[in-house]
Amino acid sequence: DTGVSQDPRHKITKRGQNVTFRCDPISEHNRLYWYRQTLGQGPEFLTYFQNEAQLEKSRLLSDRFSAERPKGSFSTLEIQRTEQGDSAMYLCASSFLGEATGELFFGEGSRLTVL
Amino acid sequence: DQQVKQNSPSLSVQEGRISILNCDYTNSMFDYFLWYKKYPAEGPTFLISISSIKDKNEDGRFTVFLNKSAKHLSLHIVPSQPGDSAVYFCAASPSMIKAAGNKLTFGGGTRVLVKP
Repeated sequence: DTGVSQDPRHKITKRGQNVTFRCDPISEHNRLYWYRQTLGQGPEFLTYFQNEAQLEKSRLLSDRFSAERPKGSFSTLEIQRTEQGDSAMYLCASSFLGEATGELFFGEGSRLTVL
Repeated sequence: DQQVKQNSPSLSVQEGRISILNCDYTNSMFDYFLWYKKYPAEGPTFLISISSIKDKNEDGRFTVFLNKSAKHLSLHIVPSQPGDSAVYFCAASPSMIKAAGNKLTFGGGTRVLVKP
């Protein structure tokens, strides 16, 4: 296993369209996280799952955003009716409960550009 | 409300010299701190962490210092190498356990350039 993978790496869409991002975590990791990063800022927490259960959602995650992890493996993040303010890098990370350092393993991100 | 701040957006240092990156936090509940490094077109990668029960943690060329009373931490890289050129993020969590199972709060990052 080579790490966390995200698809697509870059998505350009028109305002109002729906987009979906996929994340495949490291296979033995039971926790999966979504973060958003805008230019010049650090990553901001959006939501996280333990196995298939979504345990926390940030207030940043409006009703247009939905995340799923149906079988406790890969996850999808869908943004409906995209707005220009949604343009950002969407980062997925995974971790193993009990990891001594608290380290999150990040994917390379999916960059969204909303025109 | 920025709970974790990295006030220096960029830092330039000569190869072989020390790089010092600073991070301040405001939330007294933060008890565990991490540094991540990010290269262009890649995701952040974990570098080093420190719990509030310590004031220093060292891993090779990287040392993190924590001053809990000042709510300040710093990352020292010595000696700096050109491959260290990247963006460095400071992150905080209420606990080490929660860091692996809860959100991390990140600073805005410091871009480091190590000149040969």
